[in-house]
Amino acid sequence: DQQVKQNSPSLSVQEGRISILNCDYTNSMFDYFLWYKKYPAEGPTFLISISSIKDKNEDGRFTVFLNKSAKHLSLHIVPSQPGDSAVYFCAASAKGGTSYGKLTFGQGTILTVHP
Amino acid sequence: KAGVTQTPRYLIKTRGQQVTLSCSPISGHRSVSWYQQTPGQGLQFLFEYFSETQRNKGNFPGRFSGRQFSNSRSEMNVSTLELGDSALYLCASSSDSGSDTQYFGPGTRLTVL
Repeated sequence: DQQVKQNSPSLSVQEGRISILNCDYTNSMFDYFLWYKKYPAEGPTFLISISSIKDKNEDGRFTVFLNKSAKHLSLHIVPSQPGDSAVYFCAASAKGGTSYGKLTFGQGTILTVHP
Repeated sequence: KAGVTQTPRYLIKTRGQQVTLSCSPISGHRSVSWYQQTPGQGLQFLFEYFSETQRNKGNFPGRFSGRQFSNSRSEMNVSTLELGDSALYLCASSSDSGSDTQYFGPGTRLTVL
């Protein structure tokens, strides 16, 4: 049961343009969402997060949008840079009980930014 | 602040052996979570420790265990290794469990031959 899904395995973008990475979830108990960037054989690096009480959060070139009714979130990177090329994971968490300390991850999207 | 550290970074074991991996969280963080990453299953939650207590466990066999010490450092142990245990094992820490952001270490690459 894949509760967090990233349906695009890969995305290719030109340098300077916008990158949009998408994520869908099914568990309505999720109340906190995160995006991580990851290189092979390294740990994920935290990029940005959003609480379910918000619909948008910005941090520099990164903006995350949350549409709770559609159970959908997206990460916008503007402008995209070659150094952004990596695997991007969407993750979600819920409060308490069997959710303590547990992030549920999507399968990841490989972003390639061409110079 | 120093980040999450994990030792060793690489490990090669043979089937049937056991292994212990170590994780030191960010100073002040009391929650430590462990994950397994494999090409087929992606990132899967193993367990979480908070103040030396396991508060949550993922869907893994009992061969996978862990503990947390009073200084919040954590170890995970895998006994009777199987080929399928080859994976990148990641540790993450947060200031508390729930919705707080988790920060990951570099991981331990375990290869079982």
